[in-house]
Amino acid sequence: DAKTTQPNSMESNEEEPVHLPCNHSTISGTDYIHWYRQLPSQGPEYVIHGLTSNVNNRMASLAIAEDRKSSTLILHRATLRDAAVYYCILSRGGTSYGKLTFGQGTILTVHP
Amino acid sequence: EADIYQTPRYLVIGTGKKITLECSQTMGHDKMYWYQQDPGMELHLIHYSYGVNSTEKGDLSSESTVSRIRTEHFPLTLESARPSHTSQYLCATQGRFEQYFGPGTRLTVT
Repeated sequence: DAKTTQPNSMESNEEEPVHLPCNHSTISGTDYIHWYRQLPSQGPEYVIHGLTSNVNNRMASLAIAEDRKSSTLILHRATLRDAAVYYCILSRGGTSYGKLTFGQGTILTVHP
Repeated sequence: EADIYQTPRYLVIGTGKKITLECSQTMGHDKMYWYQQDPGMELHLIHYSYGVNSTEKGDLSSESTVSRIRTEHFPLTLESARPSHTSQYLCATQGRFEQYFGPGTRLTVT
């Protein structure tokens, strides 16, 4: 399975944008890029996903490089509630879609 | 909001006991998953199911077993609990693109 690489931790100030990077240089053509986050003492929560094009939803935006070897999760205005571990995960399309391999993720700290 | 439930939320039990962790969902999703997560560590997939009577082992070897007799339920069983089984167990279902996670069961084996 293709792996992802993320920084161990990042910090942001409240109400500022946050750009969380993810490298996935061995991504295959059928791999979807997913982002989940896990708040303290909770199960993971879906944030966004994409295949080739940039994506926007109410929580965040996902910018995917043209060669798909990297992507960036963008939180447009960080709040204290956004402090969490953010996971960038590849999931192959087809029957095995949904088998997620979580890495260490990026610990995001948001300062008031 | 996703309707996925796990019981109990917390369980402290002695070594050698048999335990069953319950996971239920009301969304009618076929695909369900069990993950194990130690404090401060990453999640590991230990079991998954693609539908009734379908169960497979995940990436991390586990002494637990699962069953899928009904779409709504995906219980996990440990025949003889040991201290090494102390961990958080998270259940999830697969929607069209996203997984919905339950609140987890925090298991402590003494």
